[in-house]
Amino acid sequence: DTEVTQTPKHLVMGMTNKKSLKCEQHMGHRAMYWYKQKAKKPPELMFVYSYEKLSINESVPSRFSPECPNSSLLNLHLHALQPEDSALYLCASSKRLAGAGETQYFGPGTRLLVL
Amino acid sequence: GDSVTQMEGPVTLSEEAFLTINCTYTATGYPSLFWYVQYPGEGLQLLLKATKADDKGSNKGFEATYRKETTSFHLEKGSVQVSDSAVYFCALSDNTGGFKTIFGAGTRLFVKA
Repeated sequence: DTEVTQTPKHLVMGMTNKKSLKCEQHMGHRAMYWYKQKAKKPPELMFVYSYEKLSINESVPSRFSPECPNSSLLNLHLHALQPEDSALYLCASSKRLAGAGETQYFGPGTRLLVL
Repeated sequence: GDSVTQMEGPVTLSEEAFLTINCTYTATGYPSLFWYVQYPGEGLQLLLKATKADDKGSNKGFEATYRKETTSFHLEKGSVQVSDSAVYFCALSDNTGGFKTIFGAGTRLFVKA
């Protein structure tokens, strides 16, 4: 199984809502990532977890709150988002932290629209 | 810091044409280099990679050679198909760069039948 799954595929939320994005992998990978991708742009790194601990936070606003409950699951909790947060949110995983040739496996993404 | 520069698109080719997408990089350490592809409505997937100088990555008819002397990793394919239409991202990862993957801006490829 070389798949990273993400739910939901699409999400529409108001600026006062609270919602969560979910990501799952069963490849035994110990590094997991959240990226944000705007249209016609490359993915921008948001968070990195290594062995269920937060390793990197790229100065992401606190309205985004990541959580890694176990080695297979990664969540992104959303609260009080702004319209400019509308984007494709990609989850990825790798055996170890990116570096020394580690391949990242990406999920299909959640397309988020904030109204 | 580390960076990746790739040719701007979109690139429009006819089926069976030869493809080159240029990619150059700057890095302080000894990076690994990747090409990822993103098909419409999907996430990214690894196309090929190379982990040291002079390595050639290849997959599905695509090739790229890690050239340290020119700091380049150009993507080539001898004969493109309509199904190759996608966005191609050159990327690097470097142990000295905080274990992050640095992506180029992406090059959109359109292949016409």
